[in-house]
Amino acid sequence: DQQVKQNSPSLSVQEGRISILNCDYTNSMFDYFLWYKKYPAEGPTFLISISSIKDKNEDGRFTVFLNKSAKHLSLHIVPSQPGDSAVYFCAASANSGNTGKLIFGQGTTLQVKP
Amino acid sequence: DTAVSQTPKYLVTQMGNDKSIKCEQNLGHDTMYWYKQDSKKFLKIMFSYNNKELIINETVPNRFSPKSPDKAHLNLHINSLELGDSAVYFCASSQPGSRAKLFFGSGTQLSVL
Repeated sequence: DQQVKQNSPSLSVQEGRISILNCDYTNSMFDYFLWYKKYPAEGPTFLISISSIKDKNEDGRFTVFLNKSAKHLSLHIVPSQPGDSAVYFCAASANSGNTGKLIFGQGTTLQVKP
Repeated sequence: DTAVSQTPKYLVTQMGNDKSIKCEQNLGHDTMYWYKQDSKKFLKIMFSYNNKELIINETVPNRFSPKSPDKAHLNLHINSLELGDSAVYFCASSQPGSRAKLFFGSGTQLSVL
């Protein structure tokens, strides 16, 4: 019973275009959400986060949108660059992010073509 | 000057053996974790230590025993390895004020034959 799901295993976009990665969750207790990026043979690295009191958080080319009623979040990357090619994990936590106990999705592999 | 380092990177062993994975962080964080990435690619928390004290212990077989000699180190010992233990094990750390922002090591690929 996966509480965080990333239904698209892979996504391919052209360099310069927008990449949209999606994530759905089922647990209403989740109130803090994060995206991690992972390159092969490396550990995941934190990318961006959002609290449930917000519906948008932006950091440079990366924006995360949260739709609480739909229990859905998305990560937008604009413009996409070849170096963005990686696996992206969505993660959720309760306790307003004051815990390192995260529930991860299974990841979406993004390929950005030059 | 790797922030979170774990060794070994690869571990191939026979069923029934006992093995250990070591983790060290030089970030000054007070909390460390072990996560397991299974064959379906989900990352799942196993354990968490805060200042050498166990604070999270998920439903993990007691063949897995974490040990934290100090807040910069968290090792994972696995007894009587089974085929199903094959996975990638990630160590991570975080600090007060941003607990959910985990810093991960590069992982240990464990293969049990």
